[in-house]
Amino acid sequence: SYELTQPPSVSVSPGQTASITCSGDNLGEKYACWYQQKPGQSPVLVIYLDSKRPSGIPYRFSGSNSGNTATLTISGTQAMDEADYYCQAWDTSTVVFGGGTKLTVL
Amino acid sequence: EVQLVESGGGLVQPGGSLRLSCAASGFTFSMYRMSWVRQAPGKGLEWVANIKEDGSEKDYVDSVKGRFTISRDNAKNSMYLQMNSLRAEDTAVYYCARIVVVTAKLLDHWGQGTLVTVSS
Repeated sequence: SYELTQPPSVSVSPGQTASITCSGDNLGEKYACWYQQKPGQSPVLVIYLDSKRPSGIPYRFSGSNSGNTATLTISGTQAMDEADYYCQAWDTSTVVFGGGTKLTVL
Repeated sequence: EVQLVESGGGLVQPGGSLRLSCAASGFTFSMYRMSWVRQAPGKGLEWVANIKEDGSEKDYVDSVKGRFTISRDNAKNSMYLQMNSLRAEDTAVYYCARIVVVTAKLLDHWGQGTLVTVSS
């Protein structure tokens, strides 16, 4: 079965750029999505089709996907961005999530 | 406004059954595929099942095949997850999510989740 691998945690200072990676076999040949989940809340889609932002998602969120790695980048990270982030792709008709990355802003 | 509201969670003994519901509003339910995703306490997201717009196609994660059944009633704008032979490892918050096809498929709206606890 297809697997996506994320680092368990990433730390960033306020105002700096945070990068969260997601690795999978030939992931660049699929489309990647990213979800943000804050404690006690449901996941929220922040990036789809590798690099597109849904309406209402701040410009500081961006994404890329090439080769075996998709990357979520948060520029000018704010305290409110502290959350768990999950990458996701489709393997034929099934949904695959990465294990999640806890982003700490300190 | 798109709204998804899950219900039906609760405490159930191992081997027992539970039926979850997802009530949809704010969009034409019959035009969208739907999904169930779960999250065990303190753990990550795990996809459970998908169902096609008309219910003709269903897909499941291996760990629930033969035990869980996804279904929908487009006349009632609702989706269901019948869970049988429940195990402790099925303990999780269960979310329903809408699948949108924009070149590729994505889960664009999620409900607030309903907690299922399997314990004696």
